[in-house]
Amino acid sequence: DAKTTQPPSMDCAEGRAANLPCNHSTISGNEYVYWYRQIHSQGPQYIIHGLKNNETNEMASLIITEDRKSSTLILPHATLRDTAVYYCIVRLSSGNTPLVFGKGTRLSVIA
Amino acid sequence: SAVISQKPSRDICQRGTSLTIQCQVDSQVTMMFWYRQQPGQSLTLIATANQGSEATYESGFVIDKFPISRPNLTFSTLTVSNMSPEDSSIYLCAYASAISKEQFFGPGTRLTVL
Repeated sequence: DAKTTQPPSMDCAEGRAANLPCNHSTISGNEYVYWYRQIHSQGPQYIIHGLKNNETNEMASLIITEDRKSSTLILPHATLRDTAVYYCIVRLSSGNTPLVFGKGTRLSVIA
Repeated sequence: SAVISQKPSRDICQRGTSLTIQCQVDSQVTMMFWYRQQPGQSLTLIATANQGSEATYESGFVIDKFPISRPNLTFSTLTVSNMSPEDSSIYLCAYASAISKEQFFGPGTRLTVL
C-alpha cells in the first residue's frame, strides 16, 4: 500500500505557483520522498526527490518539513502543460526498489 | 537517461488470445519493471525482471497469466495470456537508473480486450 496521502484534485491559474501537498507520517529514516507526474496517455515522468533538505531543480522545488511527515511540491509558474496527475511516493533510495503509486493529485492548470 | 520504448503502442484483442508486449532500452540496465494501470486507476506493479533470473511477481499476479522474459540487459517482454475484458489496461515498463536511482517509464501499451 502507498504510504502517502494526497488531495484528489487541485486547480491552479496559469502563471501562478502550484503547491501540491503530501502527507507521509509513517516515513522511516532511510526513505526518500519522490515525486512523479503522469500527463494524460503518457508514462509517469520523474520530477524530483529528497531526503530531508529542500531540493530544487529545473522543474520544481520540494519542501520537506523538519519532522519529515509531510512535503510540498512547488511548480513556480504553472503552465497548461503542467496539467497532470502528480504522485508523491516514499521509497528507499535504491533504484531497485519498485515505486508504489497512490492515487495522486490531479492538477488542472486553468488559463 | 536512456530511451525506453514499447511495442505495440496499442492493440485491440479478442478474449482468450494472448498478446506479447516488448520493451526496449537503448542502454544496458539491471532492473526492469512491469506495471499495469487499469482505467481511471493508479499504477500497480506486476513484477520485477532481472536479467538471467526469474521475474519476481507481486501479490495477485502469477507467471502463468503474465509470463515475462528478460533475455538481455536492454530488452524485456510481458505476455498477457488468455485475455479477458478485465485485462483491458495500460501496461508500462520501466527501468531503474543505477546512477540516479530514478525510474524511467516507457510510453505504455494500451490494451483493449473485447
